[in-house]
Amino acid sequence: QVQLVQSGAEVKKPGASVKISCQASGFTFTGHFIHWVRQAPGQGLEWMGLVNPYSGGTNYEQKFRARVTMTRETSFSTAYMELIGLTSDDTAVYFCARERGPVERESLAEGFFDLWGQGTLVTVSS
Amino acid sequence: ELVLTQSPGTLSLSPGERATLSCRASQSVISNYLAWYQQKPGQAPRLLIFGASNRATGIPVRFSGSGSGTDFTLTISRLEPEDIAVYYCLQYGVSPSSPWTFGQGTKVEAK
Repeated sequence: QVQLVQSGAEVKKPGASVKISCQASGFTFTGHFIHWVRQAPGQGLEWMGLVNPYSGGTNYEQKFRARVTMTRETSFSTAYMELIGLTSDDTAVYFCARERGPVERESLAEGFFDLWGQGTLVTVSS
Repeated sequence: ELVLTQSPGTLSLSPGERATLSCRASQSVISNYLAWYQQKPGQAPRLLIFGASNRATGIPVRFSGSGSGTDFTLTISRLEPEDIAVYYCLQYGVSPSSPWTFGQGTKVEAK
């Protein structure tokens, strides 16, 4: 079955860090970029960045660049997103999503997300 | 920085009515690299439309996308009860500084 399965909900204190996993199955993990998108309670979707599972290369939204690290472990077909220096503003559901196009893409014609994880709720509270 | 503005914020409709959702970009979207997603409470977004007008696999024909440049539209020809959701547009690849940007969403609610 083609799917992305994320790790469970987390509760963190301000200043702490969180690391969320996203395990892929049913497709070639190293063949597609994995993106991370978050959604604060009652709010819209916000793109955070991506990891290239083949090379490990990353591209982060400027807003998160100082605090986020996206990695992957190919032997486990798993992508990770770590966010440090948490504040209450980081309380959100975090999604991983697969980009349709291949990692060796020459254009972004297939740059949309066609497969999503179920989401991981991160609550930051003292 | 590219900004996507969706309107209206909320659309109140009855089953069978036509829904017209707008997504306007602050600059031209390269090659119509624009997608539409549907999100229901507690669920991940679901891809409806990509490339501005191409329906994703399994999406009912009542959903259609149109537009180019800076103005895009998602139309639901005849609203079904299961279409009650929030809809987001996404642009992918306009510029290195704004590679992926979502609109703020349009909520379609039952009248």
